[in-house]
Amino acid sequence: QKEVEQNSGPLSVPEGAIASLNCTYSDRVSQSFFWYRQYSGKSPELIMSIYSNGDKEDGRFTAQLNKASQYVSLLIRDSQPSDSATYLCAVLYSSASKIIFGSGTRLSIRP
Amino acid sequence: EAGVVQSPRYKIIEKKQPVAFWCNPISGHNTLYWYLQNLGQGPELLIRYENEEAVDDSQLPKDRFSAERLKGVDSTLKIQPAELGDSAVYLCASSPRGDGELFFGEGSRLTVL
Repeated sequence: QKEVEQNSGPLSVPEGAIASLNCTYSDRVSQSFFWYRQYSGKSPELIMSIYSNGDKEDGRFTAQLNKASQYVSLLIRDSQPSDSATYLCAVLYSSASKIIFGSGTRLSIRP
Repeated sequence: EAGVVQSPRYKIIEKKQPVAFWCNPISGHNTLYWYLQNLGQGPELLIRYENEEAVDDSQLPKDRFSAERLKGVDSTLKIQPAELGDSAVYLCASSPRGDGELFFGEGSRLTVL
């Protein structure tokens, strides 16, 4: 089992719809979770962090965390073509103080 | 505030040649990371520094890779000799607290022929 797993996609969503990106992780004691966005040919950029169970909203983005299920998700409301990118889930593995990235989900917003 | 600066942006070398990458982190960020990213994959940690101390180098292939962070600021990652499989993007990141909130540089894309 990979430490951080994501569906590689591509995930195609019509403009204006909600995009839902999912991530599972294997370390039960992890406490910190992050979503990074990476445009093609660019470096990753932090867009959301979440530390507690439940939802955290920031503009059109909502991160959801369920530690019991070891599941993190990112919802993007009112998807725009500029949201087309690869979204990387990252988990801070407390046992090793190591930040592990998933392989990313490629999101495409079609006009 | 200036971001993380990396150089060179691109490097093409023949196999068995040496190569070095340089990184200047955001001012005040004590934690510095070097990651490797292959196409279609997430970044993979090579080494993490807290100030000038390498606190996690377990994934660094020490037979050919070396890194240093003198004076706890700039860092250099070296590969000698390079192999075909080293072709990738080498990302440097810094963090104010080492807690997962990373700020990445633009990366150095290495092609080994």
